[in-house]
Amino acid sequence: QVQLVQSGPEVKKPGASVKVSCKTSGYTFTSYGISWVRQAPGQGLEWLGWISAYNGDTNYAQKIKSRVTVTTEKFTSTVYLQLNNLRSDDTAVYYCARDLGSLGGFDMWGQGTRVTVSA
Amino acid sequence: QSVLTQPPSVSGAPGQRVTISCTGSSSNIGAGYDVHWYQQLPGTTPKRVVYGNTNRPSGVPDRFSGSRSGPSASLAITGLQAEDEADYYCLSYDSSLSAWVFGGGTKLTVL
Repeated sequence: QVQLVQSGPEVKKPGASVKVSCKTSGYTFTSYGISWVRQAPGQGLEWLGWISAYNGDTNYAQKIKSRVTVTTEKFTSTVYLQLNNLRSDDTAVYYCARDLGSLGGFDMWGQGTRVTVSA
Repeated sequence: QSVLTQPPSVSGAPGQRVTISCTGSSSNIGAGYDVHWYQQLPGTTPKRVVYGNTNRPSGVPDRFSGSRSGPSASLAITGLQAEDEADYYCLSYDSSLSAWVFGGGTKLTVL
């Protein structure tokens, strides 16, 4: 079965960087893209970025583009989200999701990784 | 302020029908991009309940249905059950932003 398993919770200080992993299994990794979505405490869902697992093309939300990098590691079927220069308003649960494109949306989600930014 | 507009809350009694609207614009839903709906139970990961405007994933009860007209879409839930109490989000693609966009979310309360 399709699974997306994310790395554990992180606590970081303002200005630091965080790297969250999303290990996929149960399907051909290069057949689908992966999107990252976050949810701040008590808030809604916010799309952060996408990567093609086929060729590594990326697309990022304008709001966060200067601080985010999404990469893949094909031999482990893992996708990474790195967020730099962390601020307190980056505190959120970060989700990876398998991206089927505009016709299907996000069909499978990771369990979420809580990132806390605090001095 | 979200690109896709949803009512903050809706409510209904068990057995009733409720609808949740999602209003976009000419660069997203109105441009023909499909709408997908997600249910997020308290403390859990979002789950897709409708994709491609009207399609239900395997395992989602037929009490859930979606529709789209012009720049708007709707999620209808019939025969409300206590277990339907959750937050619901719509998702579509926006060509002006070149980005996926979510609605702000709607909290469904089963009275």
